[in-house]
Amino acid sequence: EAQVTQNPRYLITVTGKKLTVTCSQNMNHEYMSWYRQDPGLGLRQIYYSMNVEVTDKGDVPEGYKVSRKEKRNFPLILESPSPNQTSLYFCASTSGSYNEQFFGPGTRLTVL
Amino acid sequence: AQTVTQSQPEMSVQEAETVTLSCTYDTSESDYYLFWYKQPPSRQMILVIRQEAYKQQNATENRFSVNFQKAAKSFSLKISDSQLGDAAMYFCASLGTQGGSEKLVFGKGTKLTVNP
Repeated sequence: EAQVTQNPRYLITVTGKKLTVTCSQNMNHEYMSWYRQDPGLGLRQIYYSMNVEVTDKGDVPEGYKVSRKEKRNFPLILESPSPNQTSLYFCASTSGSYNEQFFGPGTRLTVL
Repeated sequence: AQTVTQSQPEMSVQEAETVTLSCTYDTSESDYYLFWYKQPPSRQMILVIRQEAYKQQNATENRFSVNFQKAAKSFSLKISDSQLGDAAMYFCASLGTQGGSEKLVFGKGTKLTVNP
């Protein structure tokens, strides 16, 4: 089954404690991205990757890092989380032929 | 820069009736795509319908159809024969392909309630 997986699905942490949210897709897509969703703001892109070792900033990259060492994986790293990073996070990969973005199930992050 | 505007924060419809959700967008790109996504309480983002800007024919998927007015930069979603399972947040989004970012730009969403 074609899918994008994210882990963990829920996470409560404290300010300053480094964390990583993993994302993996099994569709051999080259393009992957991370979004955050906040009430009243819709979804906003954090980072994207056009291929292995190629990443770039989206609209709200501050406080986040990413890496793309393998085509299937695109982890999101919060080196020093802060309460304003409390949000719902989505990973997505894109089908090049139809430009359809497949979304993961989301990760609900709370930073205390 | 692309922008997407959904002017209706909330809408409601009676079961079996028809409802139209509004969306306007702005883009400088000549080649772009438009989408409607549904987000039920499970939070999963589900693609409802997509439209390529170069196609004049409005996209249709079963009970869902769009009214794409390219000159007016309008992309509304019509849901016919509304069902209780249609209750969700609906997001309009545009995707431009120039510059390689393939970034989806979302509107702020419309919460649809379906009344039995």
